[in-house]
Amino acid sequence: QVQLLESGPGLVKPSETLSLTCTVSGGSISNKYWSWIRQPPGKGLDWIAYISHSGSTKYNPSLESRVTISSDTSTNKFSLELRSVTAADTAIYYCARHPHVGGDPFDIWGQGTLVTVST
Amino acid sequence: SYELTQPPSVSVSPGQTVSITCSGDNLERKYVSWYQQKPGQSPVLVIYERFKRPSGIPERFSGSNSGNTATLTISGTQDLDEADYYCQAWDNNYVIFGGGTKVTVL
Repeated sequence: QVQLLESGPGLVKPSETLSLTCTVSGGSISNKYWSWIRQPPGKGLDWIAYISHSGSTKYNPSLESRVTISSDTSTNKFSLELRSVTAADTAIYYCARHPHVGGDPFDIWGQGTLVTVST
Repeated sequence: SYELTQPPSVSVSPGQTVSITCSGDNLERKYVSWYQQKPGQSPVLVIYERFKRPSGIPERFSGSNSGNTATLTISGTQDLDEADYYCQAWDNNYVIFGGGTKVTVL
């Protein structure tokens, strides 16, 4: 059974870089697609980016200039970097799996990790 | 950019049927998924490809899609169905989420 677990700092200072990692267990990241999704407190879901098993990527246009998604098949992890953060980036960050793009759902989600941007 | 519109909230009495709508241009041509999210928990997939239910999702959850509107219907609503529900679709390989609908079981 595939499980996802997010990890990273819970507190990031404004203007710095938010870095998170999603560890995939029970399956390989060398197939399927992998996304980051965030949810500001009390608000809805906002897709950030995905990376494919072959390393191709797609970003939310509203965040593309500040975001990088990457993966490491040797450790079965994928990561998110969000640069120049502000208080508006405070959110629960989820990693999630989807079999393909263009129509497939997010069938497995991590538990989420709260990241607060504050001094 | 493509948008999905959901009503902010709906209410239902236990045992009754509630429908949640999700509107978007030519939505019937897209595969729509629905997620249930309870407070403090991660979203859970309840409907995908417009009307399919993942293993373990009760039959009272059903989906449909016609024209510009996708609909999630909960029949025989139970107290434990009280949650936020999000629709999701793809547009040119970008992911789009609706704003979410809070279902209150009164």
